Amino acid sequence: AIQLTQSPSSLSASVGDRVTVTCRASQGIDNNLAWYQQKPGEAPKLLIYDASTLETGVPSRFSGSGSGTDFTLTVSSLQPEDFATYYCQQFKEYPLSLGGGTKVEIK
Amino acid sequence: EVQLVESGGGLVQPGGSLRLSCAASGFRFSDHFMDWVRQAPGKGLEWLGRIRDEAHRYTTEYAASVKDRFIISRDDSKNSLYLHMSSLKTEDTAVYYCARDRIVGGAFFESWGQGTLVTVSS
Repeated sequence: AIQLTQSPSSLSASVGDRVTVTCRASQGIDNNLAWYQQKPGEAPKLLIYDASTLETGVPSRFSGSGSGTDFTLTVSSLQPEDFATYYCQQFKEYPLSLGGGTKVEIK
Repeated sequence: EVQLVESGGGLVQPGGSLRLSCAASGFRFSDHFMDWVRQAPGKGLEWLGRIRDEAHRYTTEYAASVKDRFIISRDDSKNSLYLHMSSLKTEDTAVYYCARDRIVGGAFFESWGQGTLVTVSS
């Protein structure tokens, strides 16, 4: 099974900061990666799929990159509504798997 | 508007069974593969399994942690997805989400329900 390791597990940032979250796969997954945002008490929300394609309606300050085993999610200028937990997910093969999450907190 | 509404959660004893439902509306349910994902209290997301559409003979995939204990089914005539859970363990305590896959593209989750809480405890 493919393991996804996210780093850091948490970070503190200020409004306006550029934030980068990393997801590393235990084996190559091409670009078969998605990113989700989850706020407390809410269901996750799809942000990015195919490693770098922005889901409709997601602000352009979010971007994704990477291929193979190393991926990043970047928020170019953090907004108050972006404080949340972010998860990566691989869909290269079964079983599908998700990373452990990165919690972005207010500094 | 796409809506997924889970129900059927509650308190169940270890070793017990429970069936969760997910009512879909606002889209052509029969066209989509569907998934179940759970989240234990204070923990991350865990994919449980998926069911394909009729064209793919309703075939299923499962995570190792629930294979042989959980069964995913669907009733396209009722626009409903189900998760049949048996031999429940305390570690199955979680919020259970149903999620919709995109018709064209990979196995990622483009829409989610609000979740239903299952508590396994004596």
